[in-house]
Amino acid sequence: AQSVTQLGSHVSVSEGALVLLRCNYSSSVPPYLFWYVQYPNQGLQLLLKYTSAATLVKGINGFEAEFKKSETSFHLTKPSAHMSDAAEYFCAVTLGNQFYFGTGTSLTVIP
Amino acid sequence: SQTIHQWPATLVQPVGSPLSLECTVEGTSNPNLYWYRQAAGRGLQLLFYSIGIDQISSEVPQNLSASRPQDRQFILSSKKLLLSDSGFYLCAWTGGSNQPQHFGDGTRLSIL
Repeated sequence: AQSVTQLGSHVSVSEGALVLLRCNYSSSVPPYLFWYVQYPNQGLQLLLKYTSAATLVKGINGFEAEFKKSETSFHLTKPSAHMSDAAEYFCAVTLGNQFYFGTGTSLTVIP
Repeated sequence: SQTIHQWPATLVQPVGSPLSLECTVEGTSNPNLYWYRQAAGRGLQLLFYSIGIDQISSEVPQNLSASRPQDRQFILSSKKLLLSDSGFYLCAWTGGSNQPQHFGDGTRLSIL
């Protein structure tokens, strides 16, 4: 069965600091992985997706994620946090028509 | 381009009343459609998904039901709402297997 684990339900960073949100997956087959962002009272917005074309994936708003098969990880990073990055972030994996979401990480950016 | 619409954006209903939330997708055909519920401060709970008209799978036993009367229309219903039905309901679609999901703006449902 597929599953996704997001380590840290809450992460706080200072404005301008590195953002690192962790995601580990379990998959018996090559996964398709995604990161989503959710602002309050809005739907989820796709940040980036990994579909095996390249291990380093660049997304919107300056975010990127690196697929590491040996570590079964797909961590999300951004070099410099902005206040506007404060939101909930979800990692997800899909196999066929089934989607599996992590429990989410709430990012707080401290001015 | 493809778009997804959900309505209403907010809804306040008394316990025991019926419910109908609607989701439509434009700009694509034969999408896979999904209904999720998100409780306050919690993750996503998959309620229903559909790979075609009248093809609906239920993930969680409850007093909710879903229907797909047209290719790009997905409806979430209940005959009698419970307090526990409060939450943020999200509709999503994909273009096929292993494709990313695209979400609507959600419906905030409050049960009084």
